[in-house]
Amino acid sequence: DVQLVESGGGLVQPGRSLRLSCTASEFTFDDYAMHWVRQAPGKGLEWVSVISWNSGSIGYADSVKGRFTISRDNAKNSLYLQMNSLRSEDTALYYCAKALRFDWLVLDYWGQGALVTVSS
Amino acid sequence: EIVMTQSPATLSVSPGERVTLSCRASQSVSSNLAWHQQKPGQAPRLLIYDASTRATGIPARFSGSGSGTEFTLTISSLQSEDFAVYYCQHYNNWPPRVTFGQGTKLEIK
Repeated sequence: DVQLVESGGGLVQPGRSLRLSCTASEFTFDDYAMHWVRQAPGKGLEWVSVISWNSGSIGYADSVKGRFTISRDNAKNSLYLQMNSLRSEDTALYYCAKALRFDWLVLDYWGQGALVTVSS
Repeated sequence: EIVMTQSPATLSVSPGERVTLSCRASQSVSSNLAWHQQKPGQAPRLLIYDASTRATGIPARFSGSGSGTEFTLTISSLQSEDFAVYYCQHYNNWPPRVTFGQGTKLEIK
């Protein structure tokens, strides 16, 4: 079964930075685009970012553009999200998700999430 | 920016009933529409993509239809494990953009 395990979450002060990681297993990581999606407590899903299999195509939600950077290391089967200039409204459970092979914007497997709390 | 609107926000239904959830796009999105199910305390699960294609392992009681601006997810006979929140998801290839609806909660009547 596909395994996606997020790490790096925690409590951080507004304006500071945090880096999330997602370690993938049980599938050929470098064949698939990967996403980050977040969910504020008690709220719905909000897409954050996508990166293609070879890092050649990247997209961001307007709410994080210029502050967050997605990246991947295919040799390590890992996906990352560098989050800078964090705000209280970035508080959420951050999911890493795998895309379908031929539909890079359809998310077909999700991790269990990493909680990020932005508060002073 | 395309806005996805789901209705109703909450639906109370009984096991065994047929239920239809709606998702409307503020402008045409062709068939670039997926549905996800999320149970409390769990990650979402993909049910349907390309408006009507069931994802791997999804039971046949789940079906999707629609194109353009109006989409539906139908569950033919509700099982106890189907009570959850359902999200529609639009996707646009370039520039890459993913937009979720606000969700419909199915609760037991």
